[in-house]
Amino acid sequence: ILNVEQSPQSLHVQEGDSTNFTCSFPSSNFYALHWYRWETAKSPEALFVMTLNGDEKKKGRISATLNTKEGYSYLYIKGSQPEDSATYLCAFIPGGGADGLTFGKGTHLIIQP
Amino acid sequence: DTAVSQTPKYLVTQMGNDKSIKCEQNLGHDTMYWYKQDSKKFLKIMFSYNNKELIINETVPNRFSPKSPDKAHLNLHINSLELGDSAVYFCASSQGPLETQYFGPGTRLLVL
Repeated sequence: ILNVEQSPQSLHVQEGDSTNFTCSFPSSNFYALHWYRWETAKSPEALFVMTLNGDEKKKGRISATLNTKEGYSYLYIKGSQPEDSATYLCAFIPGGGADGLTFGKGTHLIIQP
Repeated sequence: DTAVSQTPKYLVTQMGNDKSIKCEQNLGHDTMYWYKQDSKKFLKIMFSYNNKELIINETVPNRFSPKSPDKAHLNLHINSLELGDSAVYFCASSQGPLETQYFGPGTRLLVL
């Protein structure tokens, strides 16, 4: 059973503040790490797919880093806005890539105006 | 146009029945997936399938079977439904494991 952990489980942030949260995954047998954003009553939407150690990806105010040697990824949100409120999921794919995503339980982010 | 669609959106049925959930993608992707969102909102992979290979999560009961009539469809058939099967089921597709997955809207199954 693959262990993908996300912390914190939930997070309240003031509008305008920046924030970050963590995804940890098995450092052996790494293939890829995905980040998704999931709003209530909607489907998960892709943010990033990361494959290389040291990878940094950016999409607007959201960015992510990857450390495959130690088995963690950080997601950063700069200048949080109310529309950033969602659950952020990371998902791990082990070596070979044939399996589907193993998701963490998510970080539930609430931006307070 | 909806990229990944699922039908029905809601399904209420009795224990012991057999039901199917349909999934279609118009993205030309090679790989499709089924996920189950459990009562704690946790997404778990059930199956991944492409033209060549079906990979089954070993924890999935054999009452669940994916059926793919063609590359654009992966239907989920469930035999002898149990109360614990109540959940939201998401279909997804991608071009491969290094590509983002596109999720359907989910099917909310309630077994009474």
